[in-house]
Amino acid sequence: DTEVTQTPKHLVMGMTNKKSLKCEQHMGHRAMYWYKQKAKKPPELMFVYSYEKLSINESVPSRFSPECPNSSLLNLHLHALQPEDSALYLCASSQALLHDRARNQPQHFGDGTRLSIL
Amino acid sequence: DQQVKQNSPSLSVQEGRISILNCDYTNSMFDYFLWYKKYPAEGPTFLISISSIKDKNEDGRFTVFLNKSAKHLSLHIVPSQPGDSAVYFCAAQAGGTSYGKLTFGQGTILTVHP
Repeated sequence: DTEVTQTPKHLVMGMTNKKSLKCEQHMGHRAMYWYKQKAKKPPELMFVYSYEKLSINESVPSRFSPECPNSSLLNLHLHALQPEDSALYLCASSQALLHDRARNQPQHFGDGTRLSIL
Repeated sequence: DQQVKQNSPSLSVQEGRISILNCDYTNSMFDYFLWYKKYPAEGPTFLISISSIKDKNEDGRFTVFLNKSAKHLSLHIVPSQPGDSAVYFCAAQAGGTSYGKLTFGQGTILTVHP
């Protein structure tokens, strides 16, 4: 069982809808991530939050809006998406990001939300 | 520009034998490397990692080897089991301002036959 929980598991939405993806972890991790994965491709990083602050934005279009309301929760707000945004959206978490090479820690992933844009 | 490459899209192995999955990278700033396993309809599951200060890390049936001069890492699974059949991704992370950013390879589909 994954310790990173993502809801919903599946989401179908129209291009004018507004929806949110949710991610929750209770491992005490202070870094959380959003990835996008297209079919037969590797996951691609979208956003990184460290101590509830956005630390990396990989030039993601503004129709994707992340939010980290507290250390356990991460949301991804969706608005005016395009059909090409259909993908598996993965959330991950890890121990706090530290600029100390001896403290590398793995990221742990949820099972993702399968998003389809009509 | 693909900084992490898994050149074998698939690998087929007999149960009980060794599985060797390979990964090459080009970015010399990468200093932390990980292997993930992914089943269909699930997220990637962390298997094992290695820091650039080491050349080998072992955890049960899984061993990762790192050759920094060749910019190459490999995952050995011994003995292979049918439940190991999955997609395996290698991933790499650089330090500094890229800390936390994982770059993944394209994945290798491992099939272990009974």
